[in-house]
Amino acid sequence: DAGITQSPRYKITETGRQVTLMCHQTWSHSYMFWYRQDLGHGLRLIYYSAAADITDKGEVPDGYVVSRSKTENFPLTLESATRSQTSVYFCASSESPFRTGRDYGYTFGSGTRLTVV
Amino acid sequence: RKEVEQDPGPFNVPEGATVAFNCTYSNSASQSFFWYRQDCRKEPKLLMSVYSSGNEDGRFTAQLNRASQYISLLIRDSKLSDSATYLCVVRRGGSYIPTFGRGTSLIVHP
Repeated sequence: DAGITQSPRYKITETGRQVTLMCHQTWSHSYMFWYRQDLGHGLRLIYYSAAADITDKGEVPDGYVVSRSKTENFPLTLESATRSQTSVYFCASSESPFRTGRDYGYTFGSGTRLTVV
Repeated sequence: RKEVEQDPGPFNVPEGATVAFNCTYSNSASQSFFWYRQDCRKEPKLLMSVYSSGNEDGRFTAQLNRASQYISLLIRDSKLSDSATYLCVVRRGGSYIPTFGRGTSLIVHP
């Protein structure tokens, strides 16, 4: 199905374990983003990417790693999970407004609810 | 000053009421503006873009005031199903990274 999908939907992991959250989009959008959302903080940008092999840190990158070897995939890895990383994680994508001349906004995946125990 | 600011609410209104939210932004180079809707712990979804001339989509009207640097969302004839958090989103010219407000909570009661 076309769209942006995240997996898993729910994940419980132990402190210190490595965990990878997956994000896949079928539109060939140039831009992809990872956010976390916690009560009282709104959406906070973790990492973003302008194209395959181009990634950059957002507001809260510590403890996370990303890669983007293919345009459609943008996995987020927690290298050694901590309880403070318990959160809801959203992936989003958008087409380049500079390329199309119009800004269509950002489309989000359904999220991954991660609990670190 | 935060780049994008919204009144968190909650705005508590009866069905059928008209309610308006404002969102202020600090960067005069901001170029794209959107309203998103987010239901409890679900993903944000695009409600509408905001154009310079203002735009309407059914019961929803969005306006942009560049001189005062704010955007607004007006909801007429509120429905119970309008209960949600409304996020203001701004993108600066020359950047592809959006800035999200923290959202305004709307509760529509019978």
